[in-house]
Formats: sequence, structure tokens, C-alpha cells
Amino acid sequence: GENVEQHPSTLSVQEGDSAVIKCTYSDSASNYFPWYKQELGKGPQLIIDIRSNVGEKKDQRIAVTLNKTAKHFSLHITETQPEDSAVYFCAAKAGGFKTIFGAGTRLFVKA
Amino acid sequence: NAGVTQTPKFRILKIGQSMTLQCTQDMNHNYMYWYRQDPGMGLKLIYYSVGAGITDKGEVPNGYNVSRSTTEDFPLRLELAAPSQTSVYFCASSPNRQGLLLRLRRAIYFGEGSWLTVV
Repeated sequence: GENVEQHPSTLSVQEGDSAVIKCTYSDSASNYFPWYKQELGKGPQLIIDIRSNVGEKKDQRIAVTLNKTAKHFSLHITETQPEDSAVYFCAAKAGGFKTIFGAGTRLFVKA
Repeated sequence: NAGVTQTPKFRILKIGQSMTLQCTQDMNHNYMYWYRQDPGMGLKLIYYSVGAGITDKGEVPNGYNVSRSTTEDFPLRLELAAPSQTSVYFCASSPNRQGLLLRLRRAIYFGEGSWLTVV
């Protein structure tokens, strides 16, 4: 069945450094790739997304890249801050109502 | 707008007990979902609904039931609680596909979660 693999499961960076989280999807029909941020005790919140007809999208310190051929997409956070510490989920959607989530990456930003 | 509101936030159940997790949204979204999140795992879809009166099974529906009598409400029922149902449960919704910017159509809005322990 459809699957989204996410790496790493845990990531620790120094404040100001960059963080990169990578995902791979299996369903070639996937055409929408959102990223969610989950803070402690809260529900996931959409932070950025990318559609299959776009290779890269940037929003201030966060950016997403998509390689459709390799079925890879990545989240890049630059100039990390302590408030970026959270669990990040990638997801892939192929239409319909089914969004497949990765297992999550716990990001720690050390001050 | 309050968004997606789910209750209770925390609950301890004994094996075999029943309970209902309540979920309501005030954004007039047609689509609603229930997910569970196990420690270190991603989100698994339990049930979803595309509108009032219509529900369907997700990836892990066993042991659960849902109903959707109104657009706003989507309760999740556990009939005979089992330890395997210990998890964090998230209710979510997303907008009608028509009449909105594409990005807004696809975004899923989550509640804050319900922590359920079955002992």
C-alpha cells in the first residue's frame, strides 16, 4: 500500500544552524505534499505545502523541495530558533480523502 | 472561530468500558476525520466523513464507530475499550473543495488531541 518514509526520527541542531528533514513516498499518483508542525500537547498545524507541478517553495525561513522522479521531498529550516523545536510530519496526498503521514521527526534546537 | 474542538482532553478507561470522543468544528467544513497517533508513529486514519450522513472506514477502523448527523459534529465511539486503543486521538476537518483557493481546499485542520489510556 501507499507509504511515506521520513528521516531522521530525531534531529538536534544548534540555534542558528539549518535543519533538513527528508521524506520519500511510494504512490506515484501523489500530487500534494504538506508539512505539519506539532508542538507539545497540541494538534499538528500546516506550515507549508507544495504541489507536484512545483519543484521548490519558500516561506521566510522554511522551504520545501520536491523531486518527483525520485519521489523525494524535503523540508529545510534555516536560522533555526528554539521555538522551532517540535515534531514535524510530512504527508502525501493523491486526491480523494486519503493523506498518508510520515512517522514524524522530533527537532530539538539547542540555544 | 474556535476551529476544531474535541473533548475530553484526557481520559482513563478500564478494559471493556465504552466512551465517546466528541468533536465539533465551526468552519463549515464538509470533510471530517479521526486519526490516532501512537508514540513515535505517524497519524493513522480511523474514520472519515465527506458530509452529514456519510461516513467511511480509514486504515484502522476496528473497535471504533462514528456518526455524522450534522456538518459540525463527528463523534468517535469506542464500544469495548482495549489496551491497544491507548493512544492520542485527533479530530480534524478540511474545507469543501469548491469555491476556495486550492491550498485552502487541501489543508487539514486538527483539534488539540485527546489522550486516552485503557488499563
